[in-house]
This record gives sequence, C-alpha cells and structure tokens, in this order.
Amino acid sequence: GAVVSQHPSWVICKSGTSVKIECRSLDFQATTMFWYRQFPKQSLMLMATSNEGSKATYEQGVEKDKFLINHASLTLSTLTVTSAHPEDSSFYICSARDRRGDEQYFGPGTRLTVT
Amino acid sequence: GENVEQHPSTLSVQEGDSAVIKCTYSDSASNYFPWYKQELGKRPQLIIDIRSNVGEKKDQRIAVTLNKTAKHFSLHITETQPEDSAVYFCAASLTGGGNKLTFGTGTQLKVEL
Repeated sequence: GAVVSQHPSWVICKSGTSVKIECRSLDFQATTMFWYRQFPKQSLMLMATSNEGSKATYEQGVEKDKFLINHASLTLSTLTVTSAHPEDSSFYICSARDRRGDEQYFGPGTRLTVT
Repeated sequence: GENVEQHPSTLSVQEGDSAVIKCTYSDSASNYFPWYKQELGKRPQLIIDIRSNVGEKKDQRIAVTLNKTAKHFSLHITETQPEDSAVYFCAASLTGGGNKLTFGTGTQLKVEL
C-alpha cells in the first residue's frame, strides 16, 4: 500500500515552453501533497505544499506564477513549470501524506531537462 | 523556521562495520523525525522514524536515537552491507495537519568490501 506515482518520469523541453508533471496517490487519499526540487548531489528542497481544494502554499523564493500547482482531488496534484528555462532543469519529486498519519510517501520523481 | 544540520556529508565504512549519522534540529516544537535512504536517481525511501515521545527505536540492523534536550537524533546502521551504500537524509517536522518536512543536507554512505 501507500504508492505514489509520477508522470512523466523524464521530460525534455525547449526553453520557453511549459511542462506539466502529475503526482497521484494510487491507494490512499492524500489530503496534502508536497512538491520538492532536487539538484544533483543536493538535498530535497520543498517548493510548495498542496492541500486538496485550496491554493498551494509556496516556500520563500519559489515563484508561484512560474510553478503552478493544482490539487484538484484527493489523489491528484499537478505541477506546471511555465516558461521553462535551462536553470529549471532538475529532479522534481512529489510526496503525499495520508490523512491518517505523519509519513510522507514519495513519488519516483521526474527528471526535467530544459534545452 | 526549522533548520536541520546533518553530519558527516560522506562516510566510508568497511563491510560489517557500523555507521552513525547525526542530525541536529533547531525548532524544539518538532516532534517527528524520519530517516530516508535515496539511491541515485530514485525516490527517497523511509527506513525508520521516531517521534518525540520515545528515545530510541530499532528495526533489525537500523536504529534511531533521539535526545530532545540537546535537539539531536542519530541513525545507527550495524553490520553494514554493500547494498546499504546510498545517500541518507534526516528530516524533522511537526506531526499532524500538512506540516512539512525539513531535510538535512544528506550523507553519502559507502560500504566497501
């Protein structure tokens, strides 16, 4: 149980285009989902916290108009990187928290490369 | 906000030896402390966690200790094996609600034959 999927697993896009990443909790309801970014050999940096049915809470320094987050249901959250630039190239990982506990279950990540 | 420091950044041990990774946190209100193992290009996987109402927890070769007074917690891996080689992250948060995890900077553990 407690499986989180992400799609796509990797994506290459051209500078200036937008990319959407999906995060799904497959066998539980996730009232809260989190989006992280991880650069090579670095830790996970929280970008935003997403609660179902409400606006996401962004961490300081994360542009909400560039990284659009939608959490339309208890099993799906999406992250859209708008007007992507090469410096947005990174490993994006989502996690979902089951309403019954504290543990966060991580998705497999999405490798984004912006050319 | 919470700040988590983690040491060492790299750790090399011989197979069969023990490995210890230490973390300190700044917010005395934090009460949930998970440890994650991340292999290259993969998702972080929870290996053990501890809550502030206990001082130690063990699961086979892995144990975590927590000192609330000093605000530090440690991961202990005994009888290390090559497959233990990975990056380990500690984290801290408040339980309940949508409370976010604050991660440490990670420890690259290498278990040598």
